[in-house]
Amino acid sequence: GAVVSQHPSWVICKSGTSVKIECRSLDFQATTMFWYRQFPKQSLMLMATSNEGSKATYEQGVEKDKFLINHASLTLSTLTVTSAHPEDSSFYICSARDSITGGGYTFGSGTRLTVV
Amino acid sequence: QKEVEQDPGPLSVPEGAIVSLNCTYSNSAFQYFMWYRQYSRKGPELLMYTYSSGNKEDGRFTAQVDKSSKYISLFIRDSQPSDSATYLCAMSARAGNMLTFGGGTRLMVKP
Repeated sequence: GAVVSQHPSWVICKSGTSVKIECRSLDFQATTMFWYRQFPKQSLMLMATSNEGSKATYEQGVEKDKFLINHASLTLSTLTVTSAHPEDSSFYICSARDSITGGGYTFGSGTRLTVV
Repeated sequence: QKEVEQDPGPLSVPEGAIVSLNCTYSNSAFQYFMWYRQYSRKGPELLMYTYSSGNKEDGRFTAQVDKSSKYISLFIRDSQPSDSATYLCAMSARAGNMLTFGGGTRLMVKP
């Protein structure tokens, strides 16, 4: 089945630094990928929709200058958390769907970000 | 009122039991329905993907959609301790659109 690889699986960074998270569709092409944030014992909160070759669409309340999204190819989207602060510590997850065959969305394994 | 409602549980059942998980929704435009399983500190895993009303079976899992009642279900037969996880329902109006998630139901299957 479809596989989405997300890297890194966990990262610890100092306050004020930037962290890049990669999301790759391994065996399919995805013109659209989604980025979510999840707090403990809560459901997924959509942050932004990543569109290949164009600007991302951000949900209300999500700072586009803080959470930079780049979707430069049909198999790769990146989320960069800039000038990270402890309140940005969370579980970030991406998802993608095969643009050609359709079907349900496949999620990456998630990235646990801890800002100290 | 949330667009998709899901009982958070926890739901505790003995091994071998039949589990019934449910979601209700308010948006009649939803046509694509999914069930995901999420283990702690992992990304959600797609279990079932259905379009419109009807039933779909895959191994021990059966998904049901009743659009007239705006109600979807996931049944797990012969439940195993390894099924212990949080189950999320998700839906969208069009293929490729963003998903609207339920809050998730935590399931515990006891040996």
